Amino acid sequence: AQSVTQLDSHVSVSEGTPVLLRCNYSSSYSPSLFWYVQHPNKGLQLLLKYTSAATLVKGINGFEAEFKKSETSFHLTKPSAHMSDAAEYFCVVSDQIKAAGNKLTFGGGTRVLVKP
Amino acid sequence: SAVISQKPSRDICQRGTSLTIQCQVDSQVTMMFWYRQQPGQSLTLIATANQGSEATYESGFVIDKFPISRPNLTFSTLTVSNMSPEDSSIYLCSASGHRYEQYFGPGTRLTVT
Repeated sequence: AQSVTQLDSHVSVSEGTPVLLRCNYSSSYSPSLFWYVQHPNKGLQLLLKYTSAATLVKGINGFEAEFKKSETSFHLTKPSAHMSDAAEYFCVVSDQIKAAGNKLTFGGGTRVLVKP
Repeated sequence: SAVISQKPSRDICQRGTSLTIQCQVDSQVTMMFWYRQQPGQSLTLIATANQGSEATYESGFVIDKFPISRPNLTFSTLTVSNMSPEDSSIYLCSASGHRYEQYFGPGTRLTVT
């Protein structure tokens, strides 16, 4: 069984300041972990993924995330927020077993507000 | 990466009717999935659309309510049957790509009155 908890439902930051979105996961197997972003009235876009290679993962638009197995965490960060980062962010886990059919389990989402 | 389109992009339907949503992928993919996103909520997996066999449904979702077809490796449909206002959601399809990634369509926004 797999599950994801996003610790903050809303995060508010000022433009130019760092962003931290927290995510904890539970997985019975070696997990793949993802962060997706959903802008208002838009589809989901993959920001970055972890699939058992380097634990520090760099994604698009300056985002990165660090896989910490001991803490079962996969927090998303960006050093300097931009107005265009205002969106909903989803942390997602998938068990790396073929029998699971690559099913994704989504966290509850974190809505990011960027203040000018 | 795969490019996924969905039709319709949105619809307003009366309760008791059915709506079929189409999902087209620009390349052949092994796995396709259907998700529901209720207002202000996260995504919940409805089912895995299997090519050439019956879809695999998640707990809480049944074939009579959400019949799914997958006639080939690039196309799938989801029907929302006998709709009620509680079915008002965004329905998204996805396709599995390389290294466990999934690519998502833009979604179909359904309102049931």
